[in-house]
Amino acid sequence: DVKVTQSSRYLVKRTGEKVFLECVQDMDHENMFWYRQDPGLGLRLIYFSYDVKMKEKGDIPEGYSVSREKKERFSLILESASTNQTSMYLCASTLETRFQETQYFGPGTRLLVL
Amino acid sequence: AQKVTQAQTEISVVEKEDVTLDCVYETRDTTYYLFWYKQPPSGELVFLIRRNSFDEQNEISGRYSWNFQKSTSSFNFTITASQVVDSAVYFCALLTQLNQETSGSRLTFGEGTQLTVNP
Repeated sequence: DVKVTQSSRYLVKRTGEKVFLECVQDMDHENMFWYRQDPGLGLRLIYFSYDVKMKEKGDIPEGYSVSREKKERFSLILESASTNQTSMYLCASTLETRFQETQYFGPGTRLLVL
Repeated sequence: AQKVTQAQTEISVVEKEDVTLDCVYETRDTTYYLFWYKQPPSGELVFLIRRNSFDEQNEISGRYSWNFQKSTSSFNFTITASQVVDSAVYFCALLTQLNQETSGSRLTFGEGTQLTVNP
């Protein structure tokens, strides 16, 4: 079974704080993705990574950065959290960089920025 | 640009009713994949099905069935004899290739349909 885990299910942070969201997969997947989910908007891609130390911007990268120092771990960083970053954050991974690969998701982190 | 539309924001049915969730997509690509995911209250997206653009054969898996019609750019999902455990948000998604030089891809999601099955 594919296993994607996220470090926290719920987080409450204050405006201006630096926030780290961690994602780990244990299936030696090459590709990892970060999405945010908001009501009425579906899931939107923030950043993705096809390899260690490699990153690509998604559709809404502003206000976020990422880090991938090890293959199994992909971190999403909010440099200075703002209230409009209150959302559900979902991490996903795929085995290989092949076009048809299915993305498998973690349980999500609900972030509230006060 | 790629786009996925799920026009039904919320659907409420009574247990044992059949229900169809609509999905319409837009793409100029000739090769693409379509997905359905289920998101129960726990939050995790659960993969249900993947179809490629060249396979229009309908699929049935237990109480679930999918109707892919390329002519209308639709990929609808039907639950037969719905159960309370089917209550969830359902997402339709479109996978397209980023460019011809790489095998990278982009998954575009619809807005989701909240299905509530009442006992």
